Amino acid sequence: DQQVKQNSPSLSVQEGRISILNCDYTNSMFDYFLWYKKYPAEGPTFLISISSIKDKNEDGRFTVFLNKSAKHLSLHIVPSQPGDSAVYFCAAKAGGGNKLTFGTGTQLKVEL
Amino acid sequence: GAGVSQSPSNKVTEKGKDVELRCDPISGHTALYWYRQSLGQGLEFLIYFQGNSAPDKSGLPSDRFSAERTGGSVSTLTIQRTQQEDSAVYLCASSLVHGNEQFFGPGTRLTVL
Repeated sequence: DQQVKQNSPSLSVQEGRISILNCDYTNSMFDYFLWYKKYPAEGPTFLISISSIKDKNEDGRFTVFLNKSAKHLSLHIVPSQPGDSAVYFCAAKAGGGNKLTFGTGTQLKVEL
Repeated sequence: GAGVSQSPSNKVTEKGKDVELRCDPISGHTALYWYRQSLGQGLEFLIYFQGNSAPDKSGLPSDRFSAERTGGSVSTLTIQRTQQEDSAVYLCASSLVHGNEQFFGPGTRLTVL
């Protein structure tokens, strides 16, 4: 049972435009959500996170939106840059626990 | 400063052999995690160590998998009698005791022939 779902395996965006990556979850106990970015042959690196008490968190070009009623979150990158091309993983955790549940990832390609 | 390191970076083994994967967490991080990523899948939690507490082994897929953490630092993940379905990238992460952010190593790519 996939508790965190990223239904788009890939996304292609032009440089300078907005990239929107989506993530859905089924476990209502999840209360903290994270986005990780992964380049080939490297481990995932933390990008941005959001607690369930918020609906938006912004850090520079990256903004994460959380819609708890829809159990949906999204990552917006604007403006997109070629260096943003990577696989983006959505992850969630529940109730103060430390175990992360990951989605299957979305491959973002930012084209010149 | 040094991040999480893992060794070896690549391991090719024959079905039925045992393998050991090593993780050196960030100094001062008391929490250590093992995940694996199979082809086309997300990261799958395997095991979690926190200080001297009993580890959370709920993600280990079978009793062929075990892990230990010596002295609260270095961890070794052991897979006995490897099977082809064990082929994956095995990732280690560490965090502060109450840290939400986990820092990942580069992973060990295991191929079982």
